[in-house]
Amino acid sequence: EDQVTQSPEALRLQEGESSSLNCSYTVSGLRGLFWYRQDPGKGPEFLFTLYSAGEEKEKERLKATLTKKESFLHITAPKPEDSATYLCAVQAGGGSQGNLIFGKGTKLSVKP
Amino acid sequence: DVKVTQSSRYLVKRTGEKVFLECVQDMDHENMFWYRQDPGLGLRLIYFSYDVKMKEKGDIPEGYSVSREKKERFSLILESASTNQTSMYLCASSPGREVDEQFFGPGTRLTVL
Repeated sequence: EDQVTQSPEALRLQEGESSSLNCSYTVSGLRGLFWYRQDPGKGPEFLFTLYSAGEEKEKERLKATLTKKESFLHITAPKPEDSATYLCAVQAGGGSQGNLIFGKGTKLSVKP
Repeated sequence: DVKVTQSSRYLVKRTGEKVFLECVQDMDHENMFWYRQDPGLGLRLIYFSYDVKMKEKGDIPEGYSVSREKKERFSLILESASTNQTSMYLCASSPGREVDEQFFGPGTRLTVL
């Protein structure tokens, strides 16, 4: 069964304290892995698409990496405005086109 | 930028009422989706559509129906609202490519009393 697991469930950092969020996946034929940011009471905002193992993408203080079994979202020198829930999702090769399997997210809090 | 809009940000309905949630996308996307999001359960797919007048059940379709009469508009219908349908409802659309990121609307917080 296709599955996505994110860890930790919650992460509290001090401003400037770098860390990583993990997304482990088990899917039959990965087409793509996606990272989203979700602020409280709002819809998820698309951040990155990763297509194959070894690929990396960066945006400001965020860097996403991908291996054959997991993805990491590295946050360098975070600021309070980076506080949000980060969702990981995968698109598998089999099954319905376009359907994504979402993890339950990591809630990140960055204290000043 | 892709824009997905939802008809209401907040909605309060009574048990047994028929509820319509509307979603519109402006990027000519092929695919549209309805999810609900609950604490501890994450995002769960209710219904999706790959084309006008086409619909397919997601993981939790019971108690819901959908309508897609035009490409840009996807409606979620609660035929007879119940308290366990109190949730955040999220609409998304995607272009319909081989690798297909979804773009989400702002969400509708529905409370059924």
